[in-house]
Parts: sequence; structure tokens; C-alpha cells
Amino acid sequence: DAGVIQSPRHEVTEMGQEVTLRCKPISGHNSLFWYRQTMMRGLELLIYFNNNVPIDDSGMPEDRFSAKMPNASFSTLKIQPSEPRDSAVYFCASSPSSEQFFGPGTRLTVL
Amino acid sequence: AQKITQTQPGMFVQEKEAVTLDCTYDTSDQSYGLFWYKQPSSGEMIFLIYQGSYDEQNATEGRYSLNFQKARKSANLVISASQLGDSAMYFCAMRERSNPRNSGYSTLTFGKGTMLLVSP
Repeated sequence: DAGVIQSPRHEVTEMGQEVTLRCKPISGHNSLFWYRQTMMRGLELLIYFNNNVPIDDSGMPEDRFSAKMPNASFSTLKIQPSEPRDSAVYFCASSPSSEQFFGPGTRLTVL
Repeated sequence: AQKITQTQPGMFVQEKEAVTLDCTYDTSDQSYGLFWYKQPSSGEMIFLIYQGSYDEQNATEGRYSLNFQKARKSANLVISASQLGDSAMYFCAMRERSNPRNSGYSTLTFGKGTMLLVSP
């Protein structure tokens, strides 16, 4: 199995631009999680899905952030418009039950 | 109050020695799970070990063991015979039930992490 796949691995964009991060979970895992990691706040859960349904989005920082999971094999996290303070590593993780398997992350830099 | 506390920002250990990374947690749930993840400089998050709150015995996975003391709410990670490749950031995490309105699905809360450096 290829594990959780995220794209792009690195993204550099200018303030105000739309950013879309993509995630393909491990096949058969029914839960998907989006995290953000920064030096200041550590690893924060943004949103998670179970069977493609958003269960808890209370970690999404602002209305500028949105996430979708149109099917069991694909999810997106969108930031529109992006701001410099959104610069972070964004991880996607999937889980069959208890432990979560993380993707390699997307390093986002907003100038 | 923090749910997961890792009091050691950094730890140094010599190769082949054992090291203990501290983790304390706070929850009112009766059923919960504790996890340790490793994040090397390459950035990926690697699952190491899991301990359920009802597990009688401490979890072990190769050189990793979890010293689970339920009454003290601690879940320390013990790495035996450290190797240079163990140098990384280590995160303790807890799974507990999320808001009941979310049908009881559980999420992970992570600590701030401990940076471990293994020297030759």
C-alpha cells in the first residue's frame, strides 16, 4: 500500500491567493483527518471525516478554510484567501479504527 | 488546561542507552487511548505504540515500551538501546470521545513534543 498520499508536497503562494491541498487516504480506512502543524501551536486538528461525512470541524480556524470529501478516496482542504499566518505544514491522516496513519504533509508558505 | 503535557522540550542520550520520554494526560473519560508518534527531520509522522486505558499490561513494540500509570495519568515512552536513527521529535497523543453531539466519534489530541537527540 502506498500509504496516505498528499499533494503538493510544497506550496509557495502569495497572500490573497486560493490554495487547495489534496489527500488520498489509505484504501479501506473510513476516517480522515486534516491537521496543521506550526512551531507556535504544535499539531492541531482542523477537521475530520467519517465515511466521507464531516464529523467535527470545530478546529477550522476561520471561514477562509473549507474541506470536502466527495468520496472515500479523496479529500481537499482549501484556503481562500490565504494569509501569511496560514504558513504551516498541513497533514492528512487516515484511520481504520484507533491509530492514525499520516501522510508526508504539505509545507505551505504564504508570502 | 492542557490535555497532553510533555514537560521535556529536549532530551539528550548516548547511543545504546535507554531513555524515557514523559507524558501526562488529563481526561474524564473512562475509555481512552494513548499513542506515541515519531517525527524525524524529514517531517513524516510515524506511529510507534498504542496503549488502551483498559489494557492491563504495558504496551511494547520492539525497543519501544509504554510505562502506563493510570492513577498518575502518565504514559511515558521508554526507548531501550537508543540508536542514532532515534533522533527525532516525539509526540504523545490521546484519543478520547469527542463532543457527544458528534455521535461519539473520537479524535486525537497531541502534546507539544519532545526533541530527542542521540549522540554516538
